[in-house]
Amino acid sequence: GQQVMQIPQYQHVQEGEDFTTYCNSSTTLSNIQWYKQRPGGHPVFLIQLVKSGEVKKQKRLTFQFGEAKKNSSLHITATQTTDVGTYFCAETTTDSWGKLQFGAGTQVVVTP
Amino acid sequence: DTGVSQNPRHKITKRGQNVTFRCDPISEHNRLYWYRQTLGQGPEFLTYFQNEAQLEKSRLLSDRFSAERPKGSFSTLEIQRTEQGDSAMYLCASRGALSYEQYFGPGTRLTVT
Repeated sequence: GQQVMQIPQYQHVQEGEDFTTYCNSSTTLSNIQWYKQRPGGHPVFLIQLVKSGEVKKQKRLTFQFGEAKKNSSLHITATQTTDVGTYFCAETTTDSWGKLQFGAGTQVVVTP
Repeated sequence: DTGVSQNPRHKITKRGQNVTFRCDPISEHNRLYWYRQTLGQGPEFLTYFQNEAQLEKSRLLSDRFSAERPKGSFSTLEIQRTEQGDSAMYLCASRGALSYEQYFGPGTRLTVT
């Protein structure tokens, strides 16, 4: 089963507002990757986090890895309609296998 | 366009029939993954190839499922004696040796009636 839990499951956001989605685990995570899947589309890679406390930014998106490496978050500022989709976090291992174990995702709907 | 292609894009089959899906990864990628995604869930790992070697299979992959990557390029996923519970989107992803980013294909949506 899925080892990372994502909350919330659904997020309705007014255009221009900020929101945060969370990815939690009861065990220490190796690495975390975030993917975005547009409606009817396939997952697209956004970022990988490796280090404890790591923070990475991509324009309006801020990704954070918790100090204990048991949680991660994605914060989007000034939401736009192009942000619509489902955001998944996935644990991946440091070995060469690199398989992904996805959470159930946060489905984001943006209201103009 | 991520460069990973999958065929067919849609497959409707009757329960008990066999189906085969094909994945063509990005040409220089030696790592290939199969995932299955059902509505409202994240993709679930099925199996992993490094070149032609199948190095890991999930417990989700019952005996009815088999995957191959005979020449280390394209891969096929076959499901024998399909069941309604096999209805899902089957996603293929590939990754290069020096990167950690997985590139997903558009998927094959299987409907078992």
